[in-house]
Amino acid sequence: AQSVTQLDSHVSVSEGTPVLLRCNYSSSYSPSLFWYVQHPNKGLQLLLKYTSAATLVKGINGFEAEFKKSETSFHLTKPSAHMSDAAEYFCVVIRSGGYQKVTFGIGTKLQVIP
Amino acid sequence: SQTIHQWPATLVQPVGSPLSLECTVEGTSNPNLYWYRQAAGRGLQLLFYSVGIGQISSEVPQNLSASRPQDRQFILSSKKLLLSDSGFYLCAWTSGLRGNTIYFGEGSWLTVV
Repeated sequence: AQSVTQLDSHVSVSEGTPVLLRCNYSSSYSPSLFWYVQHPNKGLQLLLKYTSAATLVKGINGFEAEFKKSETSFHLTKPSAHMSDAAEYFCVVIRSGGYQKVTFGIGTKLQVIP
Repeated sequence: SQTIHQWPATLVQPVGSPLSLECTVEGTSNPNLYWYRQAAGRGLQLLFYSVGIGQISSEVPQNLSASRPQDRQFILSSKKLLLSDSGFYLCAWTSGLRGNTIYFGEGSWLTVV
C-alpha cells in the first residue's frame, strides 16, 4: 500500500519567517518523493525530489526537504518566507515500475502575511 | 527537452453537452499518461492512466472516458456532462523510469452550467 499524509491543510507564516510544511508517507517499495507547488489556476510545478541519493534535497526558490526513513517523513522547509511563496503545496510519492503509481497528499495552502 | 500541452485552458459547457480535453507530450516516447481532476478546495483525484497506446485504466467510475489514439496523445471525453464534472483537469506524464518526475500540463478549467 502507498499513502501520503500532509499534516496541515493550511499554514500561515509572516514574511521573513521560516516555513515548515509536513509530509509523512508509507510505501511497500522504495519510493521517490517529491514536492510540487501550485499557484491558483495553474499546473503543478516541481520544487524538489528525493530519489535515494542525498537525504537533504535542495530545490528551487530556496526550498529544501529532508528524507527521514526512520520517521517516514519528507518535510519541506524554507528559512525565510516570501510573499510569492503563497500557494498550495503537494507532497507526492511515486513508485517506480512499468506503471508508476503516483500518490498525492491532500495539499497544504501556505499563506504569507506581510 | 520534453513539454506537455493541454487544451483548452478554460471552457464553459451546458449540462448534457459533450466534452473533449486533449493532451500531447513532446520530446519523449512511450510515456505513462495521466488525467487528474482537482475540485475546488480538494486534492487531486486520479481519473485515468495509460501505459501505452490503447491501454486505459480507470480509477474512478464516472461518466468520463479516456483514449490514447497515439503514443503521446491522451484525450479525456464525455458524451453528456454533469454539473459534478466541473473542476480543474490536469494532464500529466512520467517516463516509467525509477526516480522519474511527474510533469503536469497547465490545466483545463471546466465549468458545467
